[in-house]
Amino acid sequence: ETGVTQTPRHLVMGMTNKKSLKCEQHLGHNAMYWYKQSAKKPLELMFVYNFKEQTENNSVPSRFSPECPNSSHLFLHLHTLQPEDSALYLCASSLGGPSEQYFGPGTRLTVT
Amino acid sequence: ILNVEQSPQSLHVQEGDSTNFTCSFPSSNFYALHWYRWETAKSPEALFVMTLNGDEKKKGRISATLNTKEGYSYLYIKGSQPEDSATYLCAFSQITGANNLFFGTGTRLTVIP
Repeated sequence: ETGVTQTPRHLVMGMTNKKSLKCEQHLGHNAMYWYKQSAKKPLELMFVYNFKEQTENNSVPSRFSPECPNSSHLFLHLHTLQPEDSALYLCASSLGGPSEQYFGPGTRLTVT
Repeated sequence: ILNVEQSPQSLHVQEGDSTNFTCSFPSSNFYALHWYRWETAKSPEALFVMTLNGDEKKKGRISATLNTKEGYSYLYIKGSQPEDSATYLCAFSQITGANNLFFGTGTRLTVIP
């Protein structure tokens, strides 16, 4: 138990659906992250928020839309996804800088 | 995207054996090197964060070293146990983006009882 929770754990959605992934931490961290893990590829950073402000967007397509309403919650809004977006999506949090990141259990997303 | 290479990709060892893995990363603009352990069906768990050339860190039977000048880190496991079976990930960040971690694909360790 890392203190970072993610819901849902599994999600199947069609290409025309809109869904959201949720991440929550009560560790007092001020940085939150979304990562994508595709099969046989390294963990890939998608977005970084520091004190609710987005500080990194690693060329992620606009069909992924992050939202960070406060330091404890992070969302990833999904719309008109493609089958190649099927992957494990991990959320993490940290104190920022070189500090270790605490990961959630991930959401396994399948786009049909 | 910066390349982080880990070797070997996978490894089987007998219980009680000692083992080590390698992580190679670009040495320019280095900021920090992270090691994580990822067990199946669980979340990645931080093992070490190292920032200084020559750093050595230890947690129980697991230790790590860092060489920032040549761009590599070693992870050592002494007396492997079945519960050490996991994928070990390394990640590094640069000065220009301290929060932006670049991960390797990991070394998958299986410890045979």
